[in-house]
Amino acid sequence: AQSVTQPDIHITVSEGASLELRCNYSYGATPYLFWYVQSPGQGLQLLLKYFSGDTLVQGIKGFEAEFKRSQSSFNLRKPSVHWSDAAEYFCAVGPGSQGNLIFGKGTKLSVKP
Amino acid sequence: ETGVTQTPRHLVMGMTNKKSLKCEQHLGHNAMYWYKQSAKKPLELMFVYSLEERVENNSVPSRFSPECPNSSHLFLHLHTLQPEDSALYLCASSQRREGTQYFGPGTRLLVL
Repeated sequence: AQSVTQPDIHITVSEGASLELRCNYSYGATPYLFWYVQSPGQGLQLLLKYFSGDTLVQGIKGFEAEFKRSQSSFNLRKPSVHWSDAAEYFCAVGPGSQGNLIFGKGTKLSVKP
Repeated sequence: ETGVTQTPRHLVMGMTNKKSLKCEQHLGHNAMYWYKQSAKKPLELMFVYSLEERVENNSVPSRFSPECPNSSHLFLHLHTLQPEDSALYLCASSQRREGTQYFGPGTRLLVL
């Protein structure tokens, strides 16, 4: 079965500290992988995506993620968090059987001053 | 993100009402999607349209009825909803059915 697990429901980091959000997936073939961010009351904004090639991908807002096939993981990282990064982050894998994305339950990030 | 717009942004309706949600994409994409986002649950796919044809129908109750009149517009018609249908309804589009999806801001629906 295709699924995405984000083991951390809520993470709090200090402003300026580094960040790593975990994502593990289950998928029968080589997946397409995505990270999205959602601010309160907003839709999902694409941060970055992996389709093939270099396993370290760069995204917007200083985020990066690394695809590790052996660990079935696609963790999101940022070297220095800003207060404006506080939001909910969703990892997704695709394509699903209907061409859709399969999402994890999300990780809420809080940033303390 | 102005590539995909949704109206209304907020909607309150009674269980006997009929309403429609509208989605418009300005990206020239060929596939559009409706997702439901409920608290503490992953996003759930409701409907997929590719080149204006419904690809497959998920096990969505018939009180939700999608319509895709052209590749830029997608509607979700609602009638006799239940309180458990209260959620954020998100529209997305992609260049092709398996491509990167871009989301609208969502419609927050409350069913009383």
